[in-house]
Amino acid sequence: DQQVKQNSPSLSVQEGRISILNCDYTNSMFDYFLWYKKYPAEGPTFLISISSIKDKNEDGRFTVFLNKSAKHLSLHIVPSQPGDSAVYFCAWTGPGGFKTIFGAGTRLFVKA
Amino acid sequence: DSGVTQTPKHLITATGQRVTLRCSPRSGDLSVYWYQQSLDQGLQFLIQYYNGEERAKGNILERFSAQQFPDLHSELNLSSLELGDSALYFCASSLSIGGRGETQYFGPGTRLLVL
Repeated sequence: DQQVKQNSPSLSVQEGRISILNCDYTNSMFDYFLWYKKYPAEGPTFLISISSIKDKNEDGRFTVFLNKSAKHLSLHIVPSQPGDSAVYFCAWTGPGGFKTIFGAGTRLFVKA
Repeated sequence: DSGVTQTPKHLITATGQRVTLRCSPRSGDLSVYWYQQSLDQGLQFLIQYYNGEERAKGNILERFSAQQFPDLHSELNLSSLELGDSALYFCASSLSIGGRGETQYFGPGTRLLVL
């Protein structure tokens, strides 16, 4: 069964520097990976996605890298801003989209 | 504002009781998803409905049930509640059947506390 692991519960970064959030998965069969951001007292909001046929996707300050051989993906935020402080979830969507599996999340603190 | 509404925002009840959580999807969205987030846990997928029909099932307990009505709003029914059911319950909606990286839009959640 698919597992999505975000092994770092929290990350602290200085404003202006790069934030790197990591995600590992077990099942090679997947459709897409998505990243969601969550502020306290709000639901998660979609940030960026990457399909299984790509190894990189970029949207402004956010870039996701996919390393299929290592079953690993990472979200890079450059430059980090205090408003980026939130919990970031990595989510796997299986073939056909029958299920979405979320990681446990990484709490990012961006210090001014 | 995602356009997804959930009621109530907070719910406090006792063990053994039954509660109903309600979700209204974004206008035009046909899929509704339910997730459970326990303390310091990720979001656990419970169930998805598409245009009134159950489409996918996750780790949903038999004590839990859901449905999607003709107007596309959805309800999640939790019965014989246990202390461990205390969690945040999120509803999300998407435009179509899901998959292919389709974005899910999340409501603000219902916080359930079982005493």
